[in-house]
Amino acid sequence: EVQLVESGGGLVQPGGSLRLSCAASGFTFSSYWMSWVRQAPGKGLEWVANIKQDGSEKYYVDSMKGRFTISRDNAKNSLYLQMNSLRAEDTAVYYCARHPGGSWFDPWGQGTLVTVSS
Amino acid sequence: QSALTQPASVSGSPGQSITISCTGTSSDVGSYNVVSWYQQHPGKAPKLMIYEVSKRPSGVSNRFSGSKSGNTASLTISGLQAEDEADYYCCSYAGSSTHWVFGGGTRLTVL
Repeated sequence: EVQLVESGGGLVQPGGSLRLSCAASGFTFSSYWMSWVRQAPGKGLEWVANIKQDGSEKYYVDSMKGRFTISRDNAKNSLYLQMNSLRAEDTAVYYCARHPGGSWFDPWGQGTLVTVSS
Repeated sequence: QSALTQPASVSGSPGQSITISCTGTSSDVGSYNVVSWYQQHPGKAPKLMIYEVSKRPSGVSNRFSGSKSGNTASLTISGLQAEDEADYYCCSYAGSSTHWVFGGGTRLTVL
């Protein structure tokens, strides 16, 4: 069974940092693009970033460039999102998703909640 | 404000058909055939329902179908069932600068 499990969310103060992880199983992780998508409380979905199979290409939504870094460790079947200089508006559930061919998102993990507040 | 425009809500009775529109521009929906649709029940992760405009993943009911005309994509659900009540989001590739954009979501209520 294809499974994605996020971890690392929690409460952080404005200006702080957090590193999210996504553990993948049930498929050949190194063969797929992967993405992070977030959803603020009561709001819609927002694509955050994606990364190519070998990590050689990474793309970000403009508002997060320079603050967020996506990475992966194919040996550990894991995807990461390093988030720095966090703001209140970054409060959201962060989902990792497999991104076949860089064309759609399937499946999604259960999400991890990041709350930025003093 | 989301990049793709969806109606905030739609409703229908069991057995009826409904269509959710997703309006973009010539820079996203109009230029690429990589529109996808996601279903999200409250407190759950999104689930892929349609990809590449009209393709249905294995396991998704054939009551769900997708199409596109110009800058507008559509999701049609026929034979509405109570379990279809959820939020639905469209998504499209938007080029090498913006990459991926979602619609604001549509709340489907089954009356």
